[in-house]
Amino acid sequence: GESVGLHLPTLSVQEGDNSIINCAYSNSASDYFIWYKQESGKGPQFIIDIRSNMDKRQGQRVTVLLNKTVKHLSLQIAATQPGDSAVYFCAVDSSGGGADGLTFGKGTHLIIQP
Amino acid sequence: NAGVTQTPKFRILKIGQSMTLQCTQDMNHNYMYWYRQDPGMGLKLIYYSVGAGITDKGEVPNGYNVSRSTTEDFPLRLELAAPSQTSVYFCASTFNEKLFFGSGTQLSVL
Repeated sequence: GESVGLHLPTLSVQEGDNSIINCAYSNSASDYFIWYKQESGKGPQFIIDIRSNMDKRQGQRVTVLLNKTVKHLSLQIAATQPGDSAVYFCAVDSSGGGADGLTFGKGTHLIIQP
Repeated sequence: NAGVTQTPKFRILKIGQSMTLQCTQDMNHNYMYWYRQDPGMGLKLIYYSVGAGITDKGEVPNGYNVSRSTTEDFPLRLELAAPSQTSVYFCASTFNEKLFFGSGTQLSVL
């Protein structure tokens, strides 16, 4: 099976600073990783994904880093804005495809200080 | 496109009551899912469907039932509600492995 852990339940950052949110997984066969953002009272929203054949992937103000050696991935948010305030969680797929094989982390609540 | 639409947004049930959580999507996705989200916990898969007429159990199916008569609709049925079913329920569909979630139903069983 797969277990997914997150290092910090809450992360507080200053507006304009960079944020780093971490996730650890247990199954070395996991091959697909996704980050979601969940704003208060809303459903999770896809942010960025990465496959195991990559180490890094960039989007708009977000970067995901994957370290397969230590089974760790991180989400970096550049120049954090008030609208980034949300719960962020990772999902890991070790089933080879299909959302039925996803294991979700518990989430980190990102708080933006003015 | 409205995406994935869930109703109701909030509901309070008494122990032993039954209800159906509605979910519909207008993206013509074949794969649909029901998750529950408990405070401080990761999403847990209840049931999923790979197409009309086909459903399968997820990690936590006990106390729930589903049906999939059309591509668009995937209702979740709670029979004999119990306090352990107090949670936020999310319906989702997938395209290219990306999950699209509804806005959720917050259910309390008292």
